[in-house]
Amino acid sequence: AQKVTQAQTEISVVEKEDVTLDCVYETRDTTYYLFWYKQPPSGELVFLIRRNSFDEQNEISGRYSWNFQKSTSSFNFTITASQVVDSAVYFCALSEDTGRRALTFGSGTRLQVQP
Amino acid sequence: DTGVSQDPRHKITKRGQNVTFRCDPISEHNRLYWYRQTLGQGPEFLTYFQNEAQLEKSRLLSNRFSAERPKGSFSTLEIQRTEQGDSAMYLCASSFSGGPTEAFFGQGTRLTVV
Repeated sequence: AQKVTQAQTEISVVEKEDVTLDCVYETRDTTYYLFWYKQPPSGELVFLIRRNSFDEQNEISGRYSWNFQKSTSSFNFTITASQVVDSAVYFCALSEDTGRRALTFGSGTRLQVQP
Repeated sequence: DTGVSQDPRHKITKRGQNVTFRCDPISEHNRLYWYRQTLGQGPEFLTYFQNEAQLEKSRLLSNRFSAERPKGSFSTLEIQRTEQGDSAMYLCASSFSGGPTEAFFGQGTRLTVV
């Protein structure tokens, strides 16, 4: 069975601070995909990134960066120079490579960025 | 087509009533998923369709729940004889079936059973 753990329930930072959201996953599949989604107060889940299990290269997109380490089954997300608009709940998720490809989500980390 | 849309956005119903939600996926997407999200938790998979075929249902989906996707376009999720435990956000997502791809989510329908 697949499982995603986001141990940080809530994080509060001051604007311009860097913040890292942790994600640890469990799966028996050799091929799988990892995702991060953002859920603002409006409720819609916004896709941020997809990573496949064979690609351990870190990725940077603007102020966002992701660190995938297969050895520790972690897929951490860092926001550099946080802004108030980054305030949201962030979900890490995992899906298998075949079949239904439904997402298994963690319980989310609520990020509050104070001005 | 700008994304996945769900209707209604909010629904308050009395216990025992039936409710139906609608999801319109991104038109080119042949997969459609339903998830349920309770307060403070991540979404949980309920069921999914590939075109008009419902291929899997989670054990979370009791026999009071039924989902359809006629003609492989929009989908409906019906809950019969609602219970207070059904109160949650119901999210719909769509994606392509071929290869790895991200799912795009609607804004959800928040159900409150009183």
